[in-house]
Amino acid sequence: ETGVTQSPTHLIKTRGQQVTLRCSSQSGHNTVSWYQQALGQGPQFIFQYYREEENGRGNFPPRFSGLQFPNYSSELNVNALELDDSALYLCASSPGQGELGYTFGSGTRLTVV
Amino acid sequence: KNEVEQSPQNLTAQEGEFITINCSYSVGISALHWLQQHPGGGIVSLFMLSSGKKKHGRLIATINIQEKHSSLHITASHPRDSAVYICAVRYQKLVFGQGTRLTINP
Repeated sequence: ETGVTQSPTHLIKTRGQQVTLRCSSQSGHNTVSWYQQALGQGPQFIFQYYREEENGRGNFPPRFSGLQFPNYSSELNVNALELDDSALYLCASSPGQGELGYTFGSGTRLTVV
Repeated sequence: KNEVEQSPQNLTAQEGEFITINCSYSVGISALHWLQQHPGGGIVSLFMLSSGKKKHGRLIATINIQEKHSSLHITASHPRDSAVYICAVRYQKLVFGQGTRLTINP
C-alpha cells in the first residue's frame, strides 16, 4: 500500500500570489488533515476533511481553503500569500477521523518572497 | 501557555545513553501521539497511546492520564535516532508540542 504523497516538495511564490498544494491519502483512508509548521515550531492544525466535507478548522484566516475529492485526495489553497505563510505544509490521512491514528506525508516546503 | 509542552527542547547525548523526553498537556484528550521528524520534514508516527505503556524495539512510551504527562524513552541510543521528536494530543483535532531536537553523537 502506498503512503501519503504530497506535491510539490518545494515551492517558491511571490507575496500576493495564490498557491495550491496537493495530497494523496493512503489507500483506505477517508480523512485528510492539513498542518502548517513554521521553522523551529510544532505543526499547527489548519483544517480537516472527512468524506469531502470540512469537519474541523484551526485558527487560520479564510484565505486558507481546501477541497477533498471523491477519491479522498485533497488540496490546500492559499490566496494572497504573505511572507509569514512560508512554512512546511504537512498533510495526514487517517482511516477514521483520527481515532485510529494518522499517516503523514513528507510535506511541501513553501517559501514566499 | 501552550496546551502541549515538551522538555527538553534540545538534547545531546552520547551513543548508548538512555534518553527520556517528556510531554505535559493541559486538556482532556482521547489519545497522545509520539512522532519522529527527520531533517527532510516527513513525520513518522511512533506510538499512539491512551493509557499505560507501549514498546517497540528500543522505544518505550508511557502515559499517565491523571497527571496529564507522557514520556518517550530510547534505550541504547544510536546516532540514527537523531531527529526531532514531537508529542501531539488529540481532542477533536491534533495539537502538537514544539518538538525536542535529539542529537546522538558516536
